[in-house]
Amino acid sequence: NAGVTQTPKFQVLKTGQSMTLQCAQDMNHNSMYWYRQDPGMGLRLIYYSASEGTTDKGEVPNGYNVSRLNKREFSLRLESAAPSQTSVYFCASSALPVDSGNTIYFGEGSWLTVV
Amino acid sequence: AQSVAQPEDQVNVAEGNPLTVKCTYSVSGNPYLFWYVQYPNRGLQFLLKYITGDNLVKGSYGFEAEFNKSQTSFHLKKPSALVSDSALYFCAVRDAANSNSGYALNFGKGTSLLVTP
Repeated sequence: NAGVTQTPKFQVLKTGQSMTLQCAQDMNHNSMYWYRQDPGMGLRLIYYSASEGTTDKGEVPNGYNVSRLNKREFSLRLESAAPSQTSVYFCASSALPVDSGNTIYFGEGSWLTVV
Repeated sequence: AQSVAQPEDQVNVAEGNPLTVKCTYSVSGNPYLFWYVQYPNRGLQFLLKYITGDNLVKGSYGFEAEFNKSQTSFHLKKPSALVSDSALYFCAVRDAANSNSGYALNFGKGTSLLVTP
C-alpha cells in the first residue's frame, strides 16, 4: 500500500544550493501535483501534470521546475534555494484531473529548510 | 475564480460532544467539495467529498458533511468527538465548470481541532 512516495523526508539546504524532490505513485494515476504548505496559508499549488507529458504552472511556480519523468514519477527541482522556500512540500496524484470529481491522494510530505 | 474559507483557526470540543468545522466556498459553477485531515508530521488524508446527489455525505471515521448550496457551505460534522480526532482539517473546492484553474483543488487555510478528555 505505498500510494504516493516522496523523498527525501527532511532536507536542510544552504541558500543558493539546488536540489530535487522525488515523487512516485503506484496507483496508475494520470494526474500529479506539487503543493507547498506554510503556516496559516493552507496548501498552495506549485505545479501540476494533468497527464504524462504535460506540466503546467500553479499558483506559486516561481523558483521551481518540474519534470514528469513517466506516468509514475513527478519531480520538483529548486535550482537556487532561497529562505522563502522553507516549507513542507507535498506530492499528490489523482486518477484523472479533479474536474472529473476525482480524489487527490497525498504523499507524506518533505520538510525543507533553507538557511 | 474559486476559493474556500475556513473561518475558524481552531475549534475546541470536549470528548463525546458533537463537533462542527465550518467551510464556505465560492465558485462560478457547480462545486466539487472535499474534506481532508492532517495529523502531525503526516500527509493529508481524504475524509469525504461532495460531487453531486445527496446533500449529506458520509465519510471516514464517522465524519459527515452537509452541502448547502444556498449558504455556499460544506460544514464537517461528527456526532461524538474523540480525542484521536484532534488534527488539522482542510476544506477544498474545485469548480466543476472551470477547466482553467489547474486541474487541482483550492484549499482553505485549515482548522485545528482539539478534542479534550
